[in-house]
Amino acid sequence: SQKIEQNSEALNIQEGKTATLTCNYTNYSPAYLQWYRQDPGRGPVFLLLIRENEKEKRKERLKVTFDTTLKQSLFHITASQPADSATYLCALDRQSGGKLIFGQGTELSVKP
Amino acid sequence: DAGVTQSPTHLIKTRGQQVTLRCSPKSGHDTVSWYQQALGQGPQFIFQYYEEEERQRGNFPDRFSGHQFPNYSSELNVNALLLGDSALYLCASSVEGYGYTFGSGTRLTVV
Repeated sequence: SQKIEQNSEALNIQEGKTATLTCNYTNYSPAYLQWYRQDPGRGPVFLLLIRENEKEKRKERLKVTFDTTLKQSLFHITASQPADSATYLCALDRQSGGKLIFGQGTELSVKP
Repeated sequence: DAGVTQSPTHLIKTRGQQVTLRCSPKSGHDTVSWYQQALGQGPQFIFQYYEEEERQRGNFPDRFSGHQFPNYSSELNVNALLLGDSALYLCASSVEGYGYTFGSGTRLTVV
């Protein structure tokens, strides 16, 4: 069956460092991979979408890579800030606007 | 520009009861999807509506049903509630080529 795994442990880093979150998947061939941020008690907020034919995408301090051979995506936040503390979700999609399959999320804590 | 609006924000129901959750999509979005999120887990896809028809469905029983209205708003109905239905129910709307816009969700507690 399809499986998506994100860093199971919470990630604690110091302000100013780069946070790197991992998303691995099996038994799936996504056309799109998306990253979301979720704060407690709120809905996920869309951050970045990367297509299967793209290797890397950037937006301000965020960078996503997508390796369809390794079946892995890496999500980087550079110059991290305490305000970046949240749970980050990886989601896969075979078609734009279709059914999303989410990972369980990685909780990131950035300490001042 | 209002994003996705969900109501109510919180709800407490008794086992066996029925519940209806409501969602208004973001302006310009015509596709609405519903997700269930248990504590500490990622959202799980329930179903998606487009042009008032159910377009895709996840692995949820028939107790979960939905509807989309001509103005693109949507309802999620759950019959014969079980304790295990307690979760955050999220509505999301989208346009092709972009990510979803999620609402803040409805927290359903079944007692």
